[in-house]
Amino acid sequence: AQSVTQLDSHVSVSEGTPVLLRCNYSSSYSPSLFWYVQHPNKGLQLLLKYTSAATLVKGINGFEAEFKKSETSFHLTKPSAHMSDAAEYFCVVSGVTGTASKLTFGTGTRLQVTL
Amino acid sequence: DTGVSQNPRHKITKRGQNVTFRCDPISEHNRLYWYRQTLGQGPEFLTYFQNEAQLEKSRLLSDRFSAERPKGSFSTLEIQRTEQGDSAMYLCASSFPILGDEQYFGPGTRLTVT
Repeated sequence: AQSVTQLDSHVSVSEGTPVLLRCNYSSSYSPSLFWYVQHPNKGLQLLLKYTSAATLVKGINGFEAEFKKSETSFHLTKPSAHMSDAAEYFCVVSGVTGTASKLTFGTGTRLQVTL
Repeated sequence: DTGVSQNPRHKITKRGQNVTFRCDPISEHNRLYWYRQTLGQGPEFLTYFQNEAQLEKSRLLSDRFSAERPKGSFSTLEIQRTEQGDSAMYLCASSFPILGDEQYFGPGTRLTVT
């Protein structure tokens, strides 16, 4: 079975400062890992995806994440936060079930961006 | 807009009533997923279709829940005899394996059972 743990339920940063959202994963095989973002009253949007190609994955809106197998981590970063980044962020691991990719979500990290 | 659509966006119902939600996936996507998200939690997998075949159901999906995808296009999720614990956001996602199998989510249907 696979799981993810998001280490912070809430992160607050000032606009223009770096963002770090932490995620640890557990998987019995080489996982596929994702970060999704959920803005209020909007659907989940895929930010980026890791599937064992490059360990540093670049996503949309300036976000990136680094897969570290030794630390079982997949932290999300952004060099400079923008007010529009305020949202809920989910770290997700994909588990293959039959021929499908069932997603297992973390509990989410709410990112607050202040002026 | 050619994304995943869900209807209705909001549904308020009384305990004991039946409700049905609809999901229209991205047109070329042959895989369709249902998830449930309760307040303050991440979405949880409910069930999955490949074309019209329902290939997996979570233990979260009690006998009161049924999902269909009759022609391999849109899907419906029905909840019979609703309970207050069914109040949640119901999310639909679709994917296409050849294009990487990333799941694209709809806006969800928020169900409130009073």
